[in-house]
Amino acid sequence: DTGVSQNPRHKITKRGQNVTFRCDPISEHNRLYWYRQTLGQGPEFLTYFQNEAQLEKSRLLSDRFSAERPKGSFSTLEIQRTEQGDSAMYLCASSSHGTVEQFFGPGTRLTVL
Amino acid sequence: AQKVTQAQTEISVVEKEDVTLDCVYETRDTTYYLFWYKQPPSGELVFLIRRNSFDEQNEISGRYSWNFQKSTSSFNFTITASQVVDSAVYFCALKVYQLIWGAGTKLIIKP
Repeated sequence: DTGVSQNPRHKITKRGQNVTFRCDPISEHNRLYWYRQTLGQGPEFLTYFQNEAQLEKSRLLSDRFSAERPKGSFSTLEIQRTEQGDSAMYLCASSSHGTVEQFFGPGTRLTVL
Repeated sequence: AQKVTQAQTEISVVEKEDVTLDCVYETRDTTYYLFWYKQPPSGELVFLIRRNSFDEQNEISGRYSWNFQKSTSSFNFTITASQVVDSAVYFCALKVYQLIWGAGTKLIIKP
């Protein structure tokens, strides 16, 4: 049983470029979550999918951010026109229906120069 | 509104000492869940425990124990006989709808 995987693990980009991250949840988990974590802080909720439906988006998720989960399996998070303030660790988690604990991937660390 | 406070930013102890990490939460909802996660230097958050608001029974798992007290809105975590491998950042989180996280406590166990 593999855990949640995320790619890439690290991404360095220049301000203004677009970036896309991928998350593969635990295979039988139908719920998928994206979080952002900055240094010295706990994760902040960004968005949540149940199967392919995006059910909730945080106000933190500006219109430069978009997330998809087209077939209810893997998910992508795209950030357009990156800004230095987007530098953070982006975490993905998944859970199965009927459970509340979430299992996290290793994260993608984004650095915007 | 919900809130989680971990007042201890960093704790440093010598190996084999016992250490308690504090967590205080705020919510007006009567149904909620509380969690502890461990984040080692590798960065991956590791689930440790979940409690629901109707179960105040304390729990022990090996060297780890948790004390849930609704009267003081606290969910504290104690490591007995700490080891260097316990060094990590520990997060407490509250879930009503989505997870609300504390800022974490960095635990340093010195050999």
